[in-house]
Amino acid sequence: NAGVTQTPKFQVLKTGQSMTLQCAQDMNHEYMSWYRQDPGMGLRLIHYSVGAGITDQGEVPNGYNVSRSTTEDFPLRLLSAAPSQTSVYFCASSPPGGSTIYFGEGSWLTVV
Amino acid sequence: AQSVTQLGSHVSVSEGALVLLRCNYSSSVPPYLFWYVQYPNQGLQLLLKYTSAATLVKGINGFEAEFKKSETSFHLTKPSAHMSDAAEYFCAVSDLGYQGAQKLVFGQGTRLTINP
Repeated sequence: NAGVTQTPKFQVLKTGQSMTLQCAQDMNHEYMSWYRQDPGMGLRLIHYSVGAGITDQGEVPNGYNVSRSTTEDFPLRLLSAAPSQTSVYFCASSPPGGSTIYFGEGSWLTVV
Repeated sequence: AQSVTQLGSHVSVSEGALVLLRCNYSSSVPPYLFWYVQYPNQGLQLLLKYTSAATLVKGINGFEAEFKKSETSFHLTKPSAHMSDAAEYFCAVSDLGYQGAQKLVFGQGTRLTINP
């Protein structure tokens, strides 16, 4: 009963490097999303998806890229990491019309 | 667009005292409302949620929250604080995105400290 799985849990990047945060869910949820958490700002939505091939921007999409080729996976790509992207990233999923959003355990990213 | 305001970024109470964490939201229709707790270096755990059923919602670990539409509030309470309640608490409101996708708008968080 995995739920929402994020990898890696911890990552240190150098400025300008690229990387992908992986997110997978095994609940057959159509909706998936990425949030970032910063001190004093709560969690903010980066991108979300309503199904395979369909994504939309959230509140803070700049510097991030997403795609959704399968129902299960929703990776978040940082094309050229910046120190401002140092944050904790959470992936989430939910069924259509459902009131419960399931979160992953988080990925701690430091950009130096 | 929805917004959530948590009054007090840091709340400190004594063990055994009442815990009150305040949350106000902006919404023209009754939304879904949530409280999450985050322990240090861990993920988010759902404490409770309001989905337009009972206005007084009971959650885990002895917490409860009351939805007050007239005050657009959803304050979190616990009658008697335990040391294990020390954590950060987030209030969130649902918002609808593209094709009805449910998005969450979070408050800035309140760090709860329990004094022995």
